[in-house]
Amino acid sequence: EIVLTQSPGTLSLSPGERATLSCRASQSVSSSYLAWYQQKPGQAPRLLIYGASSRATGIPERFSGSGSGTDFTLTISRLEPEDFAVYYCQQYGGSFTFGQGTKLEIK
Amino acid sequence: EVQLVESGGGLVQPGGSLRLSCAASGFTFSTYSMNWVRQAPGKGLEWVSYITSSSTTIFYADSVEGRFFISRDNAKNSLYLQMNSLRDEDTAVYYCARVGFWFAEDLWGQGTLVTVSS
Repeated sequence: EIVLTQSPGTLSLSPGERATLSCRASQSVSSSYLAWYQQKPGQAPRLLIYGASSRATGIPERFSGSGSGTDFTLTISRLEPEDFAVYYCQQYGGSFTFGQGTKLEIK
Repeated sequence: EVQLVESGGGLVQPGGSLRLSCAASGFTFSTYSMNWVRQAPGKGLEWVSYITSSSTTIFYADSVEGRFFISRDNAKNSLYLQMNSLRDEDTAVYYCARVGFWFAEDLWGQGTLVTVSS
């Protein structure tokens, strides 16, 4: 089973700043099958990025994904107040696994 | 409206059984693979089970293999999860999710809470 490790566990930033979230896999992941989700308290997750770098429908351009192999990154170019949430990466490689999440909190 | 609505959660004793349902609407359910994903209180997301559009391929997380069974009825636009031999650690919000492009879950239900406790 492929294990995804996200870092940092918590990221404290201010609105307007740039956020960089990391997702590292225990073995190589197909870029086609790496996704990122956002979850706010009391809500279901929402798909942000699929295929490592493609934005889902309706996702603002400030969200971008990159990476390949075992290292993937979610970048939020300029934080808006509504971006403070928990973010998960997920891979599919015969089965599905999620990272443990990164909490993005207001500094 | 494109949506997924889960139901069937509740309080059950350890060792008991429960059947979750997920009603799909607003899209062609029969053409999509589906997932069940759960989230224990205060914890992260855990994938549970996957089923293809025609039910030809099914697989499960190791933590539920042999106890949980996924199924679907395309005529009723519905997905199911039969949960047997429930344990305390199965307590979670259970989400159904549509599997879209590149195996990403592009549509989620609001979740249904399952509590396993004596």
